[in-house]
Amino acid sequence: GAVVSQHPSWVICKSGTSVKIECRSLDFQATTMFWYRQFPKQSLMLMATSNEGSKATYEQGVEKDKFLINHASLTLSTLTVTSAHPEDSSFYICSASQGTFPYEQYFGPGTRLTVT
Amino acid sequence: AQTVTQSQPEMSVQEAETVTLSCTYDTSENNYYLFWYKQPPSRQMILVIRQEAYKQQNATENRFSVNFQKAAKSFSLKISDSQLGDTAMYFCAFILFNNNDMRFGAGTRLTVKP
Repeated sequence: GAVVSQHPSWVICKSGTSVKIECRSLDFQATTMFWYRQFPKQSLMLMATSNEGSKATYEQGVEKDKFLINHASLTLSTLTVTSAHPEDSSFYICSASQGTFPYEQYFGPGTRLTVT
Repeated sequence: AQTVTQSQPEMSVQEAETVTLSCTYDTSENNYYLFWYKQPPSRQMILVIRQEAYKQQNATENRFSVNFQKAAKSFSLKISDSQLGDTAMYFCAFILFNNNDMRFGAGTRLTVKP
């Protein structure tokens, strides 16, 4: 149980375009979903936290107008990278939590974004 | 603010031997949870083991065990009988009780050599 999927697993887009990444909890309801960014050989950096039906809470330094997060249902959250630039190229990981003890986060397999 | 420190960027161990990965954290709170996650080359994050701070007994999951020293704010991971499939990045993580904000350490890259 507690499976989280992400789609697509990798995407290449041209500079200036937008790309959407989906995160789904397949067998549980996720009251909270998280979006992380991971640079090569580095740790996970939390970008934002979203609760179903509410606006996302962004970490300091993360542009909310560039990284649009929508948590439309208890099983789906989307991250849209708007007007992508090469420096947005990274590995994006989502996770989901049921919001109850022990507050464990279940991680998706990640999406590799390359902006050319 | 809570911080998690992993002081070993890289480690290696021979197959079948035992290795210990270090993790320290800083918090003024008393109720929290600690985790070790494994990230193999596939990049999928996998939960290895979890420890509740109010439990004195160290958590164990098959070949994986922790040494939780609450006073010292230390949470090390011991891998016994290391296997080639244990080769991965290992992240120590911290979360406060009743809080969704998980903080990760910088990670330790473990290589198991045949």
